[in-house]
Formats: sequence, C-alpha cells, structure tokens
Amino acid sequence: GQNIDQPTEMTATEGAIVQINCTYQTSGFNGLFWYQQHAGEAPTFLSYNVLDGLEEKGRFSSFLSRSKGYSYLLLKELQMKDSASYLCALNTGGFKTIFGAGTRLFVKA
Amino acid sequence: DTAVSQTPKYLVTQMGNDKSIKCEQNLGHDTMYWYKQDSKKFLKIMFSYNNKELIINETVPNRFSPKSPDKAHLNLHINSLELGDSAVYFCASSPGLSNQPQHFGDGTRLSIL
Repeated sequence: GQNIDQPTEMTATEGAIVQINCTYQTSGFNGLFWYQQHAGEAPTFLSYNVLDGLEEKGRFSSFLSRSKGYSYLLLKELQMKDSASYLCALNTGGFKTIFGAGTRLFVKA
Repeated sequence: DTAVSQTPKYLVTQMGNDKSIKCEQNLGHDTMYWYKQDSKKFLKIMFSYNNKELIINETVPNRFSPKSPDKAHLNLHINSLELGDSAVYFCASSPGLSNQPQHFGDGTRLSIL
C-alpha cells in the first residue's frame, strides 16, 4: 500500500520563502508529482521528480530523496496568488497516481 | 480551446436519482481518469481508461459506471444517488503512463439533497 503525509495547513508572509514537506511510504515508486489547486478550481501540474536532488523552475523548486521517502516544494518570493492547496502525488507505476491530502497555504500581506 | 471539459459544472439532485457527468478532452491523450474530491479535499482515484479500456477500477460502489465511447470521452453514470456521493468529481487526462502529468477538468460539484 501507499501512505502520503503532508501538513494540513501553513501560513507564510508575502515575499517570504516557504517549504512544504511530503513524506511517503510505498511499495512501488516511479516518481513524485506536485500539483497546485486554488480553491474551487482544478489541480494544475507544478513539477515531477524521478531522481534525487533539487529541480528548480522559476520561483518554485522541488526536492526528492528516495532513500528517505521525502520530498519538499519550495516557494520563493511568495505572492498572494500562491495561496492554494499543494498536493504531493506518487507515481506508483502503470497508470496509477496516488494523491496526498494536500497542504493549504495561506499567504498573508 | 478548453483542454479537458466536463459538464455539468454544478449538479443538484435528490437522493435516489440517477445522473451522468460527461467529460471530453481535446489533447489527443490516451488515458482518462475520474477522481472524487470530498469535503476534506482528498483527491481519490475512481477509474482510469487507456484507449477506451478500463485499467483502474478502485473500490467504488457498482452504482458508479464509467463509459468510454472513444479515447477522447469518458462519462460517469451514477445510479441511486446517496448523500455520501456529494463531492466534487474531476475528470483528467494524460498522454499515457503515470509518469506523465495529468490535465484536469474544472470539476463537477454534485450536491445530494
């Protein structure tokens, strides 16, 4: 089976940096996704990590450690529009992606 | 130009009714999915089709029946609706295997009275 843990909520200040952690246990691992979901909207793809290390994409970076079953999403220069839920999701192989419950990020002025 | 479109966006109906949700994607993807997102925002896979063939069928009551007439369409029919079916249902598509990101529709908000 699979298990994904993320903090339920986080609050950060505009202009700051925030790190959203995700830990997982799984019998099969092919990669890890991060998605963003604004309230009342569809999830949208942010990043996909297959190998260990940090991948940077503009203000957003994602890190993976397969041996520790750990990933984080780093958001820099926070903006109000970054207030959303961030979903960690496992690619367990085949056609299946397992989503975590998500972390709701509140960005305050 | 909408990549993944679902209809209707809102669905309010009474317990015991039967309803359908339609989904279409114009991305040329081979794989389509139905997810249920409950009030706690947990996104749970229900079904997945690859080239019109059912490949994932999670533990879902058999009141839920997906149908894929072609690889661009995946519809969801629900019989005998129950209060616990109230949720947001998302359709998604991806090029193929699960190492590809999924593109989601805007969701159908189902409320059972």
